[in-house]
Amino acid sequence: DTAVSQTPKYLVTQMGNDKSIKCEQNLGHDTMYWYKQDSKKFLKIMFSYNNKELIINETVPNRFSPKSPDKAHLNLHINSLELGDSAVYFCASSQAPIRGRNEQYFGPGTRLTVT
Amino acid sequence: AQKITQTQPGMFVQEKEAVTLDCTYDTSDQSYGLFWYKQPSSGEMIFLIYQGSYDEQNATEGRYSLNFQKARKSANLVISASQLGDSAMYFCAMRGTYKYIFGTGTRLKVLA
Repeated sequence: DTAVSQTPKYLVTQMGNDKSIKCEQNLGHDTMYWYKQDSKKFLKIMFSYNNKELIINETVPNRFSPKSPDKAHLNLHINSLELGDSAVYFCASSQAPIRGRNEQYFGPGTRLTVT
Repeated sequence: AQKITQTQPGMFVQEKEAVTLDCTYDTSDQSYGLFWYKQPSSGEMIFLIYQGSYDEQNATEGRYSLNFQKARKSANLVISASQLGDSAMYFCAMRGTYKYIFGTGTRLKVLA
C-alpha cells in the first residue's frame, strides 16, 4: 500500500564507511528525487531522475552516486561518509514536473547519523 | 534563478483561530506552480495545496486556502480554525524544471 518507501529508516555508521539507501515507488510516476534535510530543516534537492535518466545534479559531491535501475526505483549510494553527511534523506516521486499540479509524494525519510 | 522566501521562522496561533503563513517567490517563468507541504514532528512530508500561475481563483482544500497575489509574487497559506494537530513545519515550494525549490519553512505551534 505504501506509495513511496525507503529503507532503512535509520542508519548509524562511522566516518569513512560506504552506505546505501533504497527507494521504491508504486505510483507509476516517471520522476524521482533525492532530497537532504539538514538539522535546521532546510530541504535541498540533490538529484532528480526522469525515466531512469539523471536530469538534475545539484552540485552534490562525487561521493554521492544515485542509481535508477528502473522507473520505480532510485537508490542512493554514499562513499567515504563524513560527519557533515548526517541528515535526513528523503526520496520523492511525481509525474514529470513540467506543468500542472504533479505534487511530489515523499518517502518516510532515512535518518543518517555519521559518528 | 528561482527562489522561495519564508520570512517567519516560527508562529503561534490560538486553537480555533486562523493563521497566515507567508511565502514570496521569484521566478522569470510565466508558467509555474506553487505548493505547500506540512511536516509534523513525525517527519513525513504531506502535500497540502497547489496553485498554478494561470489559475484565476485562489486554491482551497478544506481548511487550507492559498492567498495568491501574482503581482506581489506571494502565495500565503491560510489555515482556518486551527487545530492542535496543525502544529508542524510548513514549507512553501515552487516547481522548477524537473525540480522543486523549497523555502526554509515556518514552524507553527497551535496553543490550546
